[in-house]
Amino acid sequence: DQQVKQNSPSLSVQEGRISILNCDYTNSMFDYFLWYKKYPAEGPTFLISISSIKDKNEDGRFTVFLNKSAKHLSLHIVPSQPGDSAVYFCAASAENTDKLIFGTGTRLQVFP
Amino acid sequence: ETGVTQTPRHLVMGMTNKKSLKCEQHLGHNAMYWYKQSAKKPLELMFVYSLEERVENNSVPSRFSPECPNSSHLFLHLHTLQPEDSALYLCASSHATGGHEQYFGPGTRLTVT
Repeated sequence: DQQVKQNSPSLSVQEGRISILNCDYTNSMFDYFLWYKKYPAEGPTFLISISSIKDKNEDGRFTVFLNKSAKHLSLHIVPSQPGDSAVYFCAASAENTDKLIFGTGTRLQVFP
Repeated sequence: ETGVTQTPRHLVMGMTNKKSLKCEQHLGHNAMYWYKQSAKKPLELMFVYSLEERVENNSVPSRFSPECPNSSHLFLHLHTLQPEDSALYLCASSHATGGHEQYFGPGTRLTVT
């Protein structure tokens, strides 16, 4: 049973618009969430994270929102740029564990 | 070099071969990880090392054998693999265990024939 789910395998967005990537989780013990970006032939790169004590974290064009009651988080990219085209992974961990549980990823394509 | 490096980047091996994957981190981190990524599946954690001691083994078959001689190096020794073991093997490191941001290497694309 997948504890972290990214139900949209792909997303296509026009340059300059907002990209919204979604992630749902089932384990209420998760208290730390991360987003990673992966280009072909490279390893995942850490993008942004959020602790469960917050509901929003912003870093430049990237904002992560956390809705604990819905067990849902989202990554907003605005404005989207062609260089943002990549696979985005959501990950979660529970306090005092060594595990990051990853979703299956969403492939974002930003077109001109 | 900086960051996390992995060698080789690509490996093709037969089921009777023995090979090793190498990972090196230049970030001064204390924890290192091996992950497996199969097609259309989430990254699966295989092993976790903290301060050179294995702290987690996610029920990985014994044909995969990790080794962590120091906090900068991590190996994954492979023997008598199966075709279903073909995948991308990713190494990562972090300052400490417990869900802190992990920094990944580029991976080794393994094909077992």
